[in-house]
Amino acid sequence: SQQGEEDPQALSIQEGENATMNCSYKTSINNLQWYRQNSGRGLVHLILIRSNEREKHSGRLRVTLDTSKKSSSLLITASRAADTASYFCATDYSSYKLIFGSGTRLLVRP
Amino acid sequence: DAGVIQSPRHEVTEMGQEVTLRCKPISGHNSLFWYRQTMMRGLELLIYFNNNVPIDDSGMPEDRFSAKMPNASFSTLKIQPSEPRDSAVYFCASIGQGGDEQFFGPGTRLTVL
Repeated sequence: SQQGEEDPQALSIQEGENATMNCSYKTSINNLQWYRQNSGRGLVHLILIRSNEREKHSGRLRVTLDTSKKSSSLLITASRAADTASYFCATDYSSYKLIFGSGTRLLVRP
Repeated sequence: DAGVIQSPRHEVTEMGQEVTLRCKPISGHNSLFWYRQTMMRGLELLIYFNNNVPIDDSGMPEDRFSAKMPNASFSTLKIQPSEPRDSAVYFCASIGQGGDEQFFGPGTRLTVL
């Protein structure tokens, strides 16, 4: 399977702390994307990092990409209770096909 | 913009019945995707349309599943006959020309008894 694997599967932190989620994949990619899914809802795109980029920021989000290790990390700084959700990495192997990982369930305790 | 619209939001049916899920992509988007999400298998791509033409249906699990996109603003995913193992949340997503970000609908939760 070309599916990305996320680590950890579940993460529980206190509000204000940072949350780090990792994603590993198997073959070369065009880009890697992170999505968030609130319970009972569809996925929402958070950030995209291209294969020639190493780090990208968007607000409280920081994404890194290490193509030599075929891995990416998503850092959420100063977490809030509203960040509670599942987070998925998705790897883009072709012009359209995204392969989603199994997700990390994040719980931010108030 | 209303985003991607899916209907129904919930569907409960009995084994053997036909199920039709509907999707309206974001206006102007030319690519549409159907996904299925289950606890066991995660999020799986079922079929991808580009300019209303099915490009990749390799993820469609069986002949019981079929999808159509008669025009740029409407797509259906049909399961006939439905089975309990088809129970899942089905998502539709669309993407604009040259875009990378997929916009997901709210999903249809299907329960087959």
